[in-house]
Amino acid sequence: QTVVTQEPSFSVSPGGTVTLTCGLASASVSNNHYPTWYQQTPGQPPRTLIYNTNTRSSGVPDRFSGSILGNKAALTITGAQADDDSDYYCAIFMGGGIYVFGPGTKVTVL
Amino acid sequence: QVQLQESGPGLVEPSGTLSLTCGVSGGSISDAWWTWVRQPPGKGLEYIGEIYHSGITNYSPSLKSRVTISVDKSKNQFSLEMTSVTAADTAVYYCARSRTKMFDPWGQGILVTVSS
Repeated sequence: QTVVTQEPSFSVSPGGTVTLTCGLASASVSNNHYPTWYQQTPGQPPRTLIYNTNTRSSGVPDRFSGSILGNKAALTITGAQADDDSDYYCAIFMGGGIYVFGPGTKVTVL
Repeated sequence: QVQLQESGPGLVEPSGTLSLTCGVSGGSISDAWWTWVRQPPGKGLEYIGEIYHSGITNYSPSLKSRVTISVDKSKNQFSLEMTSVTAADTAVYYCARSRTKMFDPWGQGILVTVSS
């Protein structure tokens, strides 16, 4: 069974920068995994932020950026705002139409 | 723009079958793959599976034995059936469009509780 790893939580000050990561327990994440990042606030469906590693979805502010850092996918928030206080999930494409979500990272802006 | 709406019973008895439908508006179901994802209360997202308009399906290995996803092109909708449900299947169930290996847009979600 594929295990995707994410940090449980991060705290960032308004205006600060935070980098979340998304890894695989038994392999390196690459562009071939089409890592995708979703943002979710309570009671709402997820919102797509980044897909194909580093492509911002329509309407997503440019303070959100995606990359591969070492052997993990990464989501960086530069200049965090109060609105960014959310849960962030990554999803990894494993091939054969199979996707696996990470457990999520709770980001607190304070 | 494409919009999705889940519908179905909010309560299912243990050992019963969960049946949900996702209606697609503002676009054709023949344009993409269509996906089901669930989220137990207070927990993370779990991929269930996807279907193409031709009927080709892919399922999460952990749920494959209990899940069937089907498509009705005439009604522009697709459906999820999950058999032998238990309390562990209590979750908000989301449908979404799958394109370029990402899910967007999403429906608002429907809470399904498994209880007698």
